[in-house]
Amino acid sequence: GEDVEQSLFLSVREGDSSVINCTYTDSSSTYLYWYKQEPGAGLQLLTYIFSNMDMKQDQRLTVLLNKKDKHLSLRIADTQTGDSAIYFCAEMNSGGYQKVTFGTGTKLQVIP
Amino acid sequence: DAGVTQSPTHLIKTRGQQVTLRCSPKSGHDTVSWYQQALGQGPQFIFQYYEEEERQRGNFPDRFSGHQFPNYSSELNVNALLLGDSALYLCASSLAAGAGSGANVLTFGAGSRLTVL
Repeated sequence: GEDVEQSLFLSVREGDSSVINCTYTDSSSTYLYWYKQEPGAGLQLLTYIFSNMDMKQDQRLTVLLNKKDKHLSLRIADTQTGDSAIYFCAEMNSGGYQKVTFGTGTKLQVIP
Repeated sequence: DAGVTQSPTHLIKTRGQQVTLRCSPKSGHDTVSWYQQALGQGPQFIFQYYEEEERQRGNFPDRFSGHQFPNYSSELNVNALLLGDSALYLCASSLAAGAGSGANVLTFGAGSRLTVL
């Protein structure tokens, strides 16, 4: 079955880089995602990567995928206080439908 | 262009009652998925609707049911509410699988927060 794991908490200083890590078990994952959730809000898609890619960069965000180790990371450059939120790693399997499995989320705290 | 809209935003029910949550998908989307997010947890897949039929279901009991209408909007019904059903219920819409690059991107609504007392 599918399982996605993340560390629960990360604290960084404003201006530093943040790296949030995720591991997943489903070798048939087709897409892997990073979502952001602010308090009391829904999920905002930050970025995603297709499983045949190993890196994707989008402004301050860099996603690295190691498919062999089933490891995904999200790097946020020049982290700002507005980046404080919970970040969810998620994967979509290749079963023909669009079921997305989420991790438990990493709470990012940015210290001014 | 409106995104995914959900109603109500908050509601309180008592054990044993029934609840209906509503979702309007993003314009142009035809597939609706529902997720349950308990406090401190990641969203859990409940089910997905396409062409007014349930296509896939997660590990949820039959007390959870749904419907999709011809205009692609959807409802989630939960019967015989339990305290453990208290959660944020998220609706996500997308294009159907195979419809192109947009099919792999889910757009989420802000959710309906259900409290069961």
